[in-house]
Amino acid sequence: ETVMTQSPGTLSVSPGERATLSCRASQSVSSNLAWYQQKPGQAPRLLIYGASTRATGIPARFSGGGSGTEFTLTISSLQYEDFALYYCQQYNNWPSWTFGQGTKVEI
Amino acid sequence: QLQLQESGPGLVKPSETLSLTCTVSGGSINSSSYYWGWIRQPPGKGLEWIGSLYYSGRTYYNPSLKSRITISVDTSKSQFSLKLSSVTAADTAVYYCASMFRGLYDCWGQGTLVTVSS
Repeated sequence: ETVMTQSPGTLSVSPGERATLSCRASQSVSSNLAWYQQKPGQAPRLLIYGASTRATGIPARFSGGGSGTEFTLTISSLQYEDFALYYCQQYNNWPSWTFGQGTKVEI
Repeated sequence: QLQLQESGPGLVKPSETLSLTCTVSGGSINSSSYYWGWIRQPPGKGLEWIGSLYYSGRTYYNPSLKSRITISVDTSKSQFSLKLSSVTAADTAVYYCASMFRGLYDCWGQGTLVTVSS
């Protein structure tokens, strides 16, 4: 099983600042890495796939990078609606589609 | 537009079997492009993949839950189902069903809270 580890657990930032979240895979997942955003009481929403491709309707302030085992999600200028939980997920080493434990972005 | 909706009891007794159904609308559960998955989230915790299913009936289970899980499909009703046996309080969670396109969870149900308690 591929273990996904996210850091930090919680990221405290101010609106307008830049946030960088990290995700590490226990073995290579190539570029088959996705990021999801989850707000309280809601289901997760797909943000990024293929490590760096934004899903439909996702603002350009969200960007993803990395390959192999090290990945980042960057939010260039945090808006109030971006304060949420973020999860990475690998879909390379199937049939086990595993998530990281999440990073909470808070004010 | 694809929509998914979970249904089932919100309260299950310890040692019993949790049963949930996901109804798919706005698209075909027979699509060869999609897998269908179950994911859960214990209160205040992260997401855990439970298992996935292809329309043909082929299933894939999380090894940590494999001995207790059955996922099945009823294409005539456009539904797929989850059964989790011998539940304990640790199985209390919000359970989501989702469509999976090329391994991505691209459409989610709203989730349903299942509490395991006597």
